[in-house]
Amino acid sequence: NAGVTQTPKFQVLKTGQSMTLQCAQDMNHEYMSWYRQDPGMGLRLIHYSVGAGITDQGEVPNGYNVSRSTTEDFPLRLLSAAPSQTSVYFCASSPDIAPLGADLYEQYFGPGTRLTVT
Amino acid sequence: DAKTTQPNSMESNEEEPVHLPCNHSTISGTDYIHWYRQLPSQGPEYVIHGLTSNVNNRMASLAIAEDRKSSTLILHRATLRDAAVYYCILPDSNYQLIWGAGTKLIIKP
Repeated sequence: NAGVTQTPKFQVLKTGQSMTLQCAQDMNHEYMSWYRQDPGMGLRLIHYSVGAGITDQGEVPNGYNVSRSTTEDFPLRLLSAAPSQTSVYFCASSPDIAPLGADLYEQYFGPGTRLTVT
Repeated sequence: DAKTTQPNSMESNEEEPVHLPCNHSTISGTDYIHWYRQLPSQGPEYVIHGLTSNVNNRMASLAIAEDRKSSTLILHRATLRDAAVYYCILPDSNYQLIWGAGTKLIIKP
């Protein structure tokens, strides 16, 4: 298994440009999510999906769109890039959002995409 | 939603045990405590998680206080490859993990 893959590894955008960060997993996981990580900080949740056709907003969704047409893929779209979106973006997946009760499955993370907006 | 508090950084010598503390005084009765770590320039990876009892796996041990207001991640014999940022995390009401800034663990050879 390749696990969680992300492309591209690095990207430089000009303010106002749009782009899509790709994320794919081959583990048949229902749950997928996107995080951003700014220097010296922890991860902040952007959007997540509990299955194909279902998405929801996380802590910092503004300026980003997602869709989940297949179980495997969960692309993140930047509509009009701004310097404040300069960050490292991580995609993660897990078998499900939560089994019985409040326990959570282990999340598997991709290697990240380093995005710079000038 | 409950929050966690961790020291910004800790240092340890190679091949010695490391105890990484975490305070979570507002934890609810059903919140599991999760630990992830992030090696330099990599995505986070799962370490361990638990509810009430102490937990062990091949990577680490998790000691949870009886009142559940604090926990300690124990690396039994740290190596240089364990140098990373360690995150102690609780879920929010939507089962999403809430990440703080973590503890940067520095291992001295």
